[in-house]
Amino acid sequence: AQSVTQPDIHITVSEGASLELRCNYSYGATPYLFWYVQSPGQGLQLLLKYFSGDTLVQGIKGFEAEFKRSQSSFNLRKPSVHWSDAAEYFCAVANQGGKLIFGQGTELSVKP
Amino acid sequence: DAGVIQSPRHEVTEMGQEVTLRCKPISGHNSLFWYRQTMMRGLELLIYFNNNVPIDDSGMPEDRFSAKMPNASFSTLKIQPSEPRDSAVYFCASSDRQGNTGELFFGEGSRLTVL
Repeated sequence: AQSVTQPDIHITVSEGASLELRCNYSYGATPYLFWYVQSPGQGLQLLLKYFSGDTLVQGIKGFEAEFKRSQSSFNLRKPSVHWSDAAEYFCAVANQGGKLIFGQGTELSVKP
Repeated sequence: DAGVIQSPRHEVTEMGQEVTLRCKPISGHNSLFWYRQTMMRGLELLIYFNNNVPIDDSGMPEDRFSAKMPNASFSTLKIQPSEPRDSAVYFCASSDRQGNTGELFFGEGSRLTVL
């Protein structure tokens, strides 16, 4: 069965520091992978997605993610975090049959 | 475009009452999803529709929950009777591609509190 694990429930980084949020997935075939962000009281917004091709994917707001099949990972990165990046981040996996499964989320706090 | 529109944004009701949540997807999108978000269980897919037809309702918790999509621009999620454990934020999302291979656009959610 498909599953997504985000090992870190909460992460705090200083403004201007780099960020990496971890995501591991379980899926037999080539997965469709996504990162979404949720600000308080809001719905989820797509940051980036991977379907095939180049394993390094660029997204909005300066985020990128790298698909590593050997590690079953799809970690999200940003070289320099801004205070406005504080939010909850969700990794998700979908199969071709059409079910999007989300991880438990990682809450990001940004210190001034 | 106005995005996915959900109503009500907040609902407080008493146990045993019927609750109806409403969703208007983005015009032209042919897939619609209902998710439930709680602290304990995170984001759970309840049901999704393609071209107004329910495709997978395996996430619907029990018979008290039902969802309909009478046309391409409207869907409802109904809970009857409601229970305190149904308290959650319910999100509707739509997509312009069948299944989940496209981007999902989420509404702002309906926060349900059942007393």
